[in-house]
Amino acid sequence: AQTVTQSQPEMSVQEAETVTLSCTYDTSESNYYLFWYKQPPSRQMILVIRQEAYKQQNATENRFSVNFQKAAKSFSLKISDSQLGDTAMYFCAFMKPQGAQKLVFGQGTRLTINP
Amino acid sequence: EADIYQTPRYLVIGTGKKITLECSQTMGHDKMYWYQQDPGMELHLIHYSYGVNSTEKGDLSSESTVSRIRTEHFPLTLESARPSHTSQYLCASRSAGGPYEQFFGPGTRLTVL
Repeated sequence: AQTVTQSQPEMSVQEAETVTLSCTYDTSESNYYLFWYKQPPSRQMILVIRQEAYKQQNATENRFSVNFQKAAKSFSLKISDSQLGDTAMYFCAFMKPQGAQKLVFGQGTRLTINP
Repeated sequence: EADIYQTPRYLVIGTGKKITLECSQTMGHDKMYWYQQDPGMELHLIHYSYGVNSTEKGDLSSESTVSRIRTEHFPLTLESARPSHTSQYLCASRSAGGPYEQFFGPGTRLTVL
């Protein structure tokens, strides 16, 4: 079974700073997908960024980028020029593309951006 | 507008009551999921469906049941609510093919007294 670990329960940075959230996972699969989801306070969970394991190039979406280290089974999220609206719970998630294609989530990191 | 909806958003109910949490999506997605989010915020899959008339249990054992009679509708039922069922329940859906993103509803926060 796959497991996902986020070792930082809470983080806090000042607006405009860069912050990196850590995620490690354990799997014997060679083909899989990794995601970062954001859950703002009392709001819907939304996808931040997605990485296919077979792609060596790290995914980027505007201010959000990942550092995907397949051999180390590490998948960190970097948020550049952080904004107050980035305040949220961030979840790292793993998915096998076969079968149910269910998400296995990490414990989450509560990120607070301070003005 | 294509979206995924959950009702009610908040529910406070007494022990022993039967409840149904509604989930509907207008995106025509085949796959739908129910996740339970505990107070520590961890998410665990409790049910999923490949499509109409398909339901499967997830990774976390749950006393709830689900049905999938229509593509767009995936309700979750608790026959007899207990305080241990107090949690947030998130519904999600995605299309059968790529790019594998799951779309989440706003959640139902259930409190059983």
